[in-house]
Amino acid sequence: GAVVSQHPSWVICKSGTSVKIECRSLDFQATTMFWYRQFPKQSLMLMATSNEGSKATYEQGVEKDKFLINHASLTLSTLTVTSAHPEDSSFYICSAKYLAQTDTQYFGPGTRLTVL
Amino acid sequence: QKEVEQNSGPLSVPEGAIASLNCTYSDRGSQSFFWYRQYSGKSPELIMSIYSNGDKEDGRFTAQLNKASQYVSLLIRDSQPSDSATYLCAVKSGNDMRFGAGTRLTVKP
Repeated sequence: GAVVSQHPSWVICKSGTSVKIECRSLDFQATTMFWYRQFPKQSLMLMATSNEGSKATYEQGVEKDKFLINHASLTLSTLTVTSAHPEDSSFYICSAKYLAQTDTQYFGPGTRLTVL
Repeated sequence: QKEVEQNSGPLSVPEGAIASLNCTYSDRGSQSFFWYRQYSGKSPELIMSIYSNGDKEDGRFTAQLNKASQYVSLLIRDSQPSDSATYLCAVKSGNDMRFGAGTRLTVKP
């Protein structure tokens, strides 16, 4: 149980284009999902918390107009990187809370984004 | 700023030895503590969670929590080369989950 998938696993795009990353909880309903970014040899940085049916809560310094998050159902959250630039190249990882009443997060396999 | 501190390592232990990973946190009100393992190029996977002072054992892994000292550790017994990874400590305080920078562990055959 508690399996989280992400798609795509990797993507290469040109500067200025938009990229959508999907995060799905496969065998449970996740009212809360999280989006992280990780640069090489650095720790996870929380970008935003996504709650089903409501607007995402972004961390300080994360541009909400650049990183669009939609959590339209209990099993799907999407992150769209708009007008991507090379500095957006990173490892994007989503996680989901398995049970609403616990703090345990299960991570997806991550999406490696490379912007040329 | 709520901080979670870990020694970045690398920590190197021989196969079969005990690996000890440490983590300190600054928010005394923290309630939930987690250890994740992250292989290079992969996402973190949950190893253990601990909520109460004392030890919690799961197979070769033991998590230790001391809230008075604001300290949580992870012991790995009979370390195997497959345990070589970066171990992330995560601390939940209030609505925030904060991750340490991770300790890189190498288990040498």
